[in-house]
Amino acid sequence: ILNVEQSPQSLHVQEGDSTNFTCSFPSSNFYALHWYRWETAKSPEALFVMTLNGDEKKKGRISATLNTKEGYSYLYIKGSQPEDSATYLCALFLYGGQFYFGTGTSLTVIP
Amino acid sequence: DGGITQSPKYLFRKEGQNVTLSCEQNLNHDAMYWYRQDPGQGLRLIYYSQIVNDFQKGDIAEGYSVSREKKESFPLTVTSAQKNPTAFYLCASSKGTSGTGELFFGEGSRLTVL
Repeated sequence: ILNVEQSPQSLHVQEGDSTNFTCSFPSSNFYALHWYRWETAKSPEALFVMTLNGDEKKKGRISATLNTKEGYSYLYIKGSQPEDSATYLCALFLYGGQFYFGTGTSLTVIP
Repeated sequence: DGGITQSPKYLFRKEGQNVTLSCEQNLNHDAMYWYRQDPGQGLRLIYYSQIVNDFQKGDIAEGYSVSREKKESFPLTVTSAQKNPTAFYLCASSKGTSGTGELFFGEGSRLTVL
């Protein structure tokens, strides 16, 4: 069983604040790293897929970076809005076909 | 619209009964996955399939069975051998098997054992 860790477990921020979360994983056997947003009563939706060390991806106010050598990825949200409230999941894909998910970071943006 | 459909959304089962959760996708995706979520835990992989008529066990396959007779369908059977079946079950699919294709998820099935 592979250990993918996310921190913090939960986070409350004020509207307009910027925030970031961490996903840590064993650096060996890395193949791809995914970020998903999971809103209550909905299905998880993909934010980013990253494969290369040093990858940086951006979608609107949300961005992510990847460091495969040290085994971590950061997700940043700039100027948080209430609609950003969700659980953010990272998932590590290993050669062989398995996705391993972290336990998620629950973000609440307070208006 | 293309997507992935799980049914039923809610299911109640008596102890000792087998139940089957349906997962169908019309995205022409090669890979399909079943995950289980328990309170306070992340998604844990039960089974996955990268091609028709082939599937592999995930970390928590005991007490579960699957089939992949058609590309679009990947049903999960929760057998009476599964000791703690009450959980939320998510099905997902992805294009290709390289891990670079994003996962698309169903809406989930919540199973409660009475």
